[in-house]
Amino acid sequence: DIQMTQSPSFLSASVGDRVIITCRASQGISNYLAWYQQTPGKVPKLLIYDASTLQSGVPSRFSGSGSGTHFTLTISSLQPEDVATYYCQNCNSDPFTFGPGTKVDIK
Amino acid sequence: QITLKESGPTLVKPTQTLTLTCTFSGFSLTTRGVGVGWIRQPPGKALEWLALIYWDDDKRYSPSLKNRLTITKDTSKNQVVLTMTNMDPVDTATYYCAHRSGTGTRFGYWGQGALVTVSS
Repeated sequence: DIQMTQSPSFLSASVGDRVIITCRASQGISNYLAWYQQTPGKVPKLLIYDASTLQSGVPSRFSGSGSGTHFTLTISSLQPEDVATYYCQNCNSDPFTFGPGTKVDIK
Repeated sequence: QITLKESGPTLVKPTQTLTLTCTFSGFSLTTRGVGVGWIRQPPGKALEWLALIYWDDDKRYSPSLKNRLTITKDTSKNQVVLTMTNMDPVDTATYYCAHRSGTGTRFGYWGQGALVTVSS
């Protein structure tokens, strides 16, 4: 089964900072990777799919890259409303595993 | 407009079977490529994918829970049902259903979630 890992598990950054979250798959999943944002107490929201395609309505400060086993989510300029936990997900084949999450906070 | 909503018991006893229903609108589960999945999240913990049913009735399950899960669909009612047998307190979680589309299995639309507590 494909395992997903994320790093870091927690990060604290200042408003305006560039933030990078890494996701790794234990096997190649081509570009079939999604990123979700879950703000406290809310339902997960799809941010990016196919590794780099921005879901409609998502701010352009979010971007994704990667293929195979290594992926990144970048927030180009962190905003207060970006405080959330971010999850990656294997979308290639079952099991459609989620990563353990990266919690992002503001310094 | 795609919407999904989970319904079912909020409290189940250990060893009981949980039955959750996802009622959706705005799409058809007879359309090629469409699926409905179930994901859960224990309090304070990460998301865990459970099961997925496709438009053609293909079904996929989490390997760790495969023996306890059954997913079915009723296209006439626009519903997907998930059953989980032999519930345990560690199964306490918010259970979400979500719409799957596209070439990869991403979940673009989610229900509001249903908190299920397992306790005697």
